Amino acid sequence: DAKTTQPPSMDCAEGRAANLPCNHSTISGNEYVYWYRQIHSQGPQYIIHGLKNNETNEMASLIITEDRKSSTLILPHATLRDTAVYYCIVRVPNTGGFKTIFGAGTRLFVKA
Amino acid sequence: DAGVIQSPRHEVTEMGQEVTLRCKPISGHNSLFWYRQTMMRGLELLIYFNNNVPIDDSGMPEDRFSAKMPNASFSTLKIQPSEPRDSAVYFCASSFASGGSTDTQYFGPGTRLTVL
Repeated sequence: DAKTTQPPSMDCAEGRAANLPCNHSTISGNEYVYWYRQIHSQGPQYIIHGLKNNETNEMASLIITEDRKSSTLILPHATLRDTAVYYCIVRVPNTGGFKTIFGAGTRLFVKA
Repeated sequence: DAGVIQSPRHEVTEMGQEVTLRCKPISGHNSLFWYRQTMMRGLELLIYFNNNVPIDDSGMPEDRFSAKMPNASFSTLKIQPSEPRDSAVYFCASSFASGGSTDTQYFGPGTRLTVL
C-alpha cells in the first residue's frame, strides 16, 4: 500500500498558485518524498523530490514540514496544461530494497 | 536522449494470443520497471529489475505474465495466453539507482493493449 494520503481532486484558477497537499506520517528518516504527475494518456512525469529542506526547480516548489509528516507541492502559476493527476510518493521497503507504490493521486483541474 | 522507448504503442489482439511488449531504457540507467494501469486498479508495479536481475516480481498477476531483461538496453513483458482482463496501458520506466534513497524514474509513453 502507498504510504501517502492525498485529496482525490482539487480545482485551481489559471494563473494562480496550485497548492497540493500530501500526508506521509509514517515516513522514515532517510526516505525522500517524490512527486510525479500524469497528463491524460501519457506516462507519469517526474516533477521534484526532497528529503527535509524545501526544494525548487523549473516546474514546482516542494515544501516539507519540519517533522516531515506532510508536504505541499506548489505550482506557482498554474496553466491549463497543468491539469493532470499528481502523485505524492514515499517508497516502501521490500526485499531487495525499496519500491515505488503509486496511490490514487490528486486530480488537479486548472480552470480558465 | 530519446527517453524510454516502448513498442508497440498500441496492440489489439484476440484472447489466447501471445503478446510481447518491448522496452528500451534510458542509456546508463541500471533499473527498469514494468507497470500496468487500469481505471479500476490505477498504476500497479508488476516487476522491476536492477542490473538486469529481477528484484521483485510480486506484482506479476499470474504465470501467464513473464518479463525478461537480457541486457541493459532491452526488456520484454510477455503475456501468454492473453485474456480480455489484461487490457490496460503498460508502462516501462527506468532509473539510475545508486543504492541510496533516491530513485527518480523516467517513464515511457506506454503500450495500450486491447485483448478482444
